[in-house]
Amino acid sequence: KAGVTQTPRYLIKTRGQQVTLSCSPISGHRSVSWYQQTPGQGLQFLFEYFSETQRNKGNFPGRFSGRQFSNSRSEMNVSTLELGDSALYLCASSLSQGAYEQYFGPGTRLTVT
Amino acid sequence: AQSVTQPDIHITVSEGASLELRCNYSYGATPYLFWYVQSPGQGLQLLLKYFSGDTLVQGIKGFEAEFKRSQSSFNLRKPSVHWSDAAEYFCAVAPSGTYKYIFGTGTRLKVLA
Repeated sequence: KAGVTQTPRYLIKTRGQQVTLSCSPISGHRSVSWYQQTPGQGLQFLFEYFSETQRNKGNFPGRFSGRQFSNSRSEMNVSTLELGDSALYLCASSLSQGAYEQYFGPGTRLTVT
Repeated sequence: AQSVTQPDIHITVSEGASLELRCNYSYGATPYLFWYVQSPGQGLQLLLKYFSGDTLVQGIKGFEAEFKRSQSSFNLRKPSVHWSDAAEYFCAVAPSGTYKYIFGTGTRLKVLA
């Protein structure tokens, strides 16, 4: 079974631009969560989607948003990029809300210049 | 506030030596507990998890962890470290009923040949 896939793997953007990252969960998994990983702040929870609904949200500004499609694929969007948004963005999928193991993708490395 | 502490930022061990990585959490009830490993440039791989029951859990790659409720700890152990174990290790907790993982700051393991 294929793992969690994230596209693109690397991205360079300029301050003020917006970016969309994509995540395809493991087949059959219905929950997708997003995390931001930076050297200074470590791994921080962004949000979680289940059945196309956002179930949980972390402490990030409204510039960070996401959505989930009917096939469980998810996208996250960051608008008005700031230098501090440079990070590794990790997507994780879970079988359902009753199973709490998350399986992570390789991440998208976003660099904001 | 819920938190996870990994007191050791870096640990260096010789190949073949035993390993113990420490993890302490602060949470009102027993959360779900996880250990993940991250190799450079990669996503996170689940090593093992604890939900309930036997407090000694076995994981992949020869790792095990012991949950101690009285100490709010979930330490990771391996009897004999291999050079390929060099990576960063993260402890995570998830309050029961959520996917909102809270990660520790990680412990970077270096293995000497």
